[in-house]
Amino acid sequence: GAGVSQTPSNKVTEKGKYVELRCDPISGHTALYWYRQSLGQGPEFLIYFQGTGAADDSGLPNDRFFAVRPEGSVSTLKIQRTERGDSAVYLCASSQAGHGNTEAFFGQGTRLTVV
Amino acid sequence: SQQGEEDPQALSIQEGENATMNCSYKTSINNLQWYRQNSGRGLVHLILIRSNEREKHSGRLRVTLDTSKKSSSLLITASRAADTASYFCATGGGADGLTFGKGTHLIIQP
Repeated sequence: GAGVSQTPSNKVTEKGKYVELRCDPISGHTALYWYRQSLGQGPEFLIYFQGTGAADDSGLPNDRFFAVRPEGSVSTLKIQRTERGDSAVYLCASSQAGHGNTEAFFGQGTRLTVV
Repeated sequence: SQQGEEDPQALSIQEGENATMNCSYKTSINNLQWYRQNSGRGLVHLILIRSNEREKHSGRLRVTLDTSKKSSSLLITASRAADTASYFCATGGGADGLTFGKGTHLIIQP
């Protein structure tokens, strides 16, 4: 595809359930980031992958959050035992290198609602 | 934590007028980026200005950077209804990702 693809676009889940959010980056982009955006706020960094490895996961809020990128392309963000406070838009972005010197390409996000 | 702070938080102007948004940040930077977000979903990159640049233009966009004041401004000239969106400045972007402000919500009235 031409851009970063995120699925599903919307997800409603019950408190305590497990969810997976998927990101398909632009082909050839080695850097992949996950961000979380709450209403009225800017996106906040969660985790960064360079290739297959998580180079920096310092933004993950707690151990209920985990992300993988096993083949260096598609990434999945996994949230266990969801809480109402996890409700937000989860954004994925990819780039040819880190976002520091190049433009980041964002997907349309997954709006997660925990009820 | 959020490094950048955009000002104003909301701005409403008439179509055809110019819109100016400001951003302040706290730490030293290599560059600063501006992004636009429509309807609270995906962000679109607008412009990147490096720390050794003072001004940069792209179409109807003009960005300035003052590293001594740790501030940047985004000017949109001859605004259009399609410019209605939220605008964010962002710094960093290395291993710990981009740090965004809370954004300026711009409304262009027809």
